Order: sequence, then C-alpha cells, then structure tokens
Amino acid sequence: AQSVTQLDSQVPVFEEAPVELRCNYSSSVSVYLFWYVQYPNQGLQLLLKYLSGSTLVKGINGFEAEFNKSQTSFHLRKPSVHISDTAEYFCAVDRTGGGNKLTFGTGTQLKVEL
Amino acid sequence: EAGVAQSPRYKIIEKRQSVAFWCNPISGHATLYWYQQILGQGPKLLIQFQNNGVVDDSQLPKDRFSAERLKGVDSTLKIQPAKLEDSAVYLCASSQPPGQGRETQYFGPGTRLLVL
Repeated sequence: AQSVTQLDSQVPVFEEAPVELRCNYSSSVSVYLFWYVQYPNQGLQLLLKYLSGSTLVKGINGFEAEFNKSQTSFHLRKPSVHISDTAEYFCAVDRTGGGNKLTFGTGTQLKVEL
Repeated sequence: EAGVAQSPRYKIIEKRQSVAFWCNPISGHATLYWYQQILGQGPKLLIQFQNNGVVDDSQLPKDRFSAERLKGVDSTLKIQPAKLEDSAVYLCASSQPPGQGRETQYFGPGTRLLVL
C-alpha cells in the first residue's frame, strides 16, 4: 500500500516570499504523484501531477514540484506567493497501473500574510 | 464545460437518522469516486465506480453506507443510520477511465454533513 506524509500542517509566509511545501511518500512500486489545492468551502483542484518523464513538473498558478525518487519526495514550490494562494494543499499518490485510486496526505495549510 | 455537481451543500441531521447525497459527474466521465474528508484529514476514498459497476469499495463501511450509480451517470451515497463520527465533507469526483492518459480527477464542491 502507498502512503503520503505531509510533515507541515501549517506554513505561514509573507506575500512575495518563496515557499516550499513538503511531501514524502512510501511505496514499494512505481507511483504517480499529485498536488491538489482546496480553497475554503470548495472542492479540490489539481495543481500539477507527475506521471513519468521530466522530474520537474510545472503546474498552474506558478507552482512547480520536483520528483525525487531516491528521497521519495515530491515537494511543491513557488518562488513568490500571493495572498490568493492562501489555501489547503494536499499531496496524493497512486501506484502506476493502480486504477487511479488516490491516497492523500493530511494537508498543509498555507497562510500568506501581508 | 460544466464541473462536478453535488447536492445538498450542507446537511445537519441527528444520529441514527438517514441521509443521502447526490452527484452528477462531468459529461463523458466514466469513472466516479466518493471520498470522505474528516476535519483535519485528507480525503479518503470510499467507493469507485466505472460506468455503473463498482471497481473498489474496500473502505466503504457497508453496514451503514451504500452507493449506487444507476445508468452510469448520476450517483447517490446514502448513510443509514448515521453516527457522530460520520460528520465530514463528502466529495464526489469524476475522471476518464484509468490508463488513457487522462486520469485527472475533477472534484465537486462537496456536501458538508454534521451529525448531532
């Protein structure tokens, strides 16, 4: 079975500062990796995904993530955050050929302050 | 394109009552998912349908939860009887079938359930 660990439950950051949200996964087989964002009272929206190929993945809203197989990590980064980035961010994993069954982490609340 | 629709958005019931949630997926999406998101946790998959067949319901508490997807489009999730620990947001998602390179799951806004 796969699992995801998001060690930081909350990350405060000032506007225009860079941010990194950490995600580590555990799996004995190859995986697909995803980052979703959830704004208050809304469903989840896909930010980016890693299926194969280049380990640096670019997503929407200026976010990017890097797949590191040796460290089993998929950290999310943005060079300069905006107030509107305040939301909950979830990392998720699915094993390749796993039938699209996502296992989510517990989420990281990103709070951008002026 | 219209997104995933869910209703109701909010529901408050007393324990031991029954409740039902409805989901309408994105047109053409053969795969439909129901997730339970308890406060402070990530979503947990309850059941996955492909067309009107169940692919995975291993985490569905079948003594009280049931789900159906008649005609392979809309789906309902029912809880009977509800317990306090069922208080959560119930998310519906849909996607193209796995393996076609378009596996992105699109989520609805969720139904927030409070059991008193």
